Amino acid sequence: ETGVTQTPRHLVMGMTNKKSLKCEQHLGHNAMYWYKQSAKKPLELMFVYSLEERVENNSVPSRFSPECPNSSHLFLHLHTLQPEDSALYLCASSQVGLEYTGELFFGEGSRLTVL
Amino acid sequence: GENVEQHPSTLSVQEGDSAVIKCTYSDSASNYFPWYKQELGKRPQLIIDIRSNVGEKKDQRIAVTLNKTAKHFSLHITETQPEDSAVYFCAASKGHNFNKFYFGSGTKLNVKP
Repeated sequence: ETGVTQTPRHLVMGMTNKKSLKCEQHLGHNAMYWYKQSAKKPLELMFVYSLEERVENNSVPSRFSPECPNSSHLFLHLHTLQPEDSALYLCASSQVGLEYTGELFFGEGSRLTVL
Repeated sequence: GENVEQHPSTLSVQEGDSAVIKCTYSDSASNYFPWYKQELGKRPQLIIDIRSNVGEKKDQRIAVTLNKTAKHFSLHITETQPEDSAVYFCAASKGHNFNKFYFGSGTKLNVKP
């Protein structure tokens, strides 16, 4: 068991499509994250859910819509994306609290291409 | 907000040599500094971390140093091996409720056999 699993691993979509990315963590963590990874740029934090409540929305366009139905699952709904949204989308989880460092455990990522 | 800068962007060394990657941060309240390694096509994974109350930490061939006054920290890899070839990311964070990590832009390390 890899801990954090993401599906699909690859996704090609047109600008008018609606699709969703899925993330599942099997580590019992209480926080989940979406990061965007583009070539030669820092990992960009998009959203954070802590105890299933969204605690961070890093000025992400509304065409990206997160959903966290429970502490183990996280979705990223995609709608009318632009070609510049093509990137690797990484999901991560961590255990946060005073006794924890909050080490991020990443999934393998979903490689998104927008045509 | 925090700003993390990482240098160099690419680093090529001969097998057996040492490699050093440096990061600076801007927010003096940052108190946790992890390093992640991402092999080609793989997920980033934590390799070593350091808290702000410690100046140096070592784990076999890798070590991290932190200078709080100058607000910089470095990753040191000794006796490099081809399997060390990867992209390395530094990060800085603070707080306890959730971890808002600010990542550097990454260093692509190539270890030539």
